[in-house]
Amino acid sequence: NAGVTQTPKFQVLKTGQSMTLQCAQDMNHEYMSWYRQDPGMGLRLIHYSVGAGITDQGEVPNGYNVSRSTTEDFPLRLLSAAPSQTSVYFCASSYATGVVREQYFGPGTRLTVT
Amino acid sequence: AQSVSQHNHHVILSEAASLELGCNYSYGGTVNLFWYVQYPGQHLQLLLKYFSGDPLVKGIKGFEAEFIKSKFSFNLRKPSVQWSDTAEYFCAVVTGANNLFFGTGTRLTVIP
Repeated sequence: NAGVTQTPKFQVLKTGQSMTLQCAQDMNHEYMSWYRQDPGMGLRLIHYSVGAGITDQGEVPNGYNVSRSTTEDFPLRLLSAAPSQTSVYFCASSYATGVVREQYFGPGTRLTVT
Repeated sequence: AQSVSQHNHHVILSEAASLELGCNYSYGGTVNLFWYVQYPGQHLQLLLKYFSGDPLVKGIKGFEAEFIKSKFSFNLRKPSVQWSDTAEYFCAVVTGANNLFFGTGTRLTVIP
């Protein structure tokens, strides 16, 4: 299986543009999440989902929307991109919630907002 | 509120030197801890994890970590580093709903 996949790998946006970062997993994981990675700040949780139809905010949700219509997909939407959203975005997934499980990370999307 | 501190921002070692990277956490719930590694240009991979039981946990590639509850620490160790260990290392604590709260990371450079 492919694990966690993300598209695109790289993206350049102008301020105010919108876009969707795609994330998919083929491991039938219930839990999926989005993190952003910025130099000197580690990874910070944006949004997460514990199953189809259920999403919640993480540490830095402002400016981002998510939805989870299927178990496999968890897209991250930027409604109006800002330079502060320049970052590397990682999607992750894991097995059952309620019991701690290892998270598997995707290869990342490097986003630049000019 | 949770926190994870990695005090070493950048560590430079020669091959065969021993490694210890510090990680201190603060979390009010049940403590579950991870170390992840990110090789240059790659995604995060799990090195090792602590859920319960033996506080000395062994991971991949010869890494180990010791959970010391009284010191709120989960330091990562390796007795002899290799050039291929050059990477960024992240300590993380699990918070509600399986969410990870990461430290700021430690960049390790190993000189051949």
